[in-house]
Amino acid sequence: DIQMTQSPSTLSASVGDRVTITCRASQSVSSLLAWYQQKPGKAPKLLIYKASSLEGGVPSRFSGSGSGTEFTLTISSLQPDDSATYFCQQFSSSPTFGQGTKLEIK
Amino acid sequence: QVQMVESGGGVVQPGTSLRLSCAASGFTFSSYTLHWVRQAPGKGLEWVAVMSPDGRKIYYADSVKGRFTISRVNSENTQSLQMNSLRAEDTALYYCARQTYGDYWFFDLWGRGTLVTVSS
Repeated sequence: DIQMTQSPSTLSASVGDRVTITCRASQSVSSLLAWYQQKPGKAPKLLIYKASSLEGGVPSRFSGSGSGTEFTLTISSLQPDDSATYFCQQFSSSPTFGQGTKLEIK
Repeated sequence: QVQMVESGGGVVQPGTSLRLSCAASGFTFSSYTLHWVRQAPGKGLEWVAVMSPDGRKIYYADSVKGRFTISRVNSENTQSLQMNSLRAEDTALYYCARQTYGDYWFFDLWGRGTLVTVSS
């Protein structure tokens, strides 16, 4: 299985900050990577697919980049509603997920 | 409203069985490939199983192969996961997830999950 490693595990930032979360794959997944947002007690929400494509209805402050083994999710200007756990998923082979990054608002 | 709602979780003893259900609404259920994904307490997400729209293509994670069975009834907009020979390591929040159109296994709609606890 392809291992996905996210960093950091937790992140605290202020409203308006630019935030970056990194996801690394144990082998190349090309651009076959998705990012999700999950809030406590809620269903996960797709944000980004194919590394950089924004899902419909997702605010444009979210963006994704990368290919191969290293990917980033960036929130350009952090908003209070962005407090959540974010996780990446590769779909180059049998799906595997990162362990998640918990983002807190200072 | 486009949604999927899981049910059927509970506390069971090791070696026993449990059947989870996922009820979908608001979209053409029979057009989508559906998956089960789980998350053990304090752990990351783990993909479990997938079934194609017509039910002909089915795949399982090695960790559940031979013990879990995925099924669906398109006329009832439901999919199920029959879990047999449950183990402590099957304890998790189980999500049903809809694969977006196409052949790529990423998920554009998830339920909120149903909790399965396997404990003696």
